[in-house]
Amino acid sequence: EPEVTQTPSHQVTQMGQEVILRCVPISNHLYFYWYRQILGQKVEFLVSFYNNEISEKSEIFDDQFSVERPDGSNFTLKIRSTKLEDSAMYFCASILPGQVRADTQYFGPGTRLTVL
Amino acid sequence: SQQGEEDPQALSIQEGENATMNCSYKTSINNLQWYRQNSGRGLVHLILIRSNEREKHSGRLRVTLDTSKKSSSLLITASRAADTASYFCATGGHSGYSTLTFGKGTMLLVSP
Repeated sequence: EPEVTQTPSHQVTQMGQEVILRCVPISNHLYFYWYRQILGQKVEFLVSFYNNEISEKSEIFDDQFSVERPDGSNFTLKIRSTKLEDSAMYFCASILPGQVRADTQYFGPGTRLTVL
Repeated sequence: SQQGEEDPQALSIQEGENATMNCSYKTSINNLQWYRQNSGRGLVHLILIRSNEREKHSGRLRVTLDTSKKSSSLLITASRAADTASYFCATGGHSGYSTLTFGKGTMLLVSP
């Protein structure tokens, strides 16, 4: 079964540095999402993306965050100037509308971001 | 906003026993989904139940949904040590593409 993939699996960075987290959604999926999970806490929605633009974003997704689909396969999340509180597991998800299981969001394995 | 909250927070059982986890939410939903997460790993989709459904089965999993009580339950029958994981419910809004709102999860420990 096709899977969502994410790279890297673990990213360590210094506070103030920029990071780019990469995701390859399932190939024919059309909606893409980023979520994050701070250690020990619930999974939180960050942003959704459709037709090359942001569909919805949460309060967490401030000006320090941006998303891009630079080509037909990758979906990236950029954090411009990382803060300690950005340390979390970041999950990418994708969905294929119009199919029997259209509501099912398929999640990638996550990128663990550690900000020092 | 809709919000899934699971209980119990932690559940410890023996292999072969059944495990029941509950989820409550606050507003109307389009669907409710259950996910599993092994420690520090990704989220694995288990089952989706729509707002007009009352019960669904998938293998050893049984999910019920009571929209009048805004609650759902996940039953794992004949549990195995490999079922040890955290289980999350997530509610989806009125659009099939809407974002998911997750609960804090139930940590299930199945001892051999």
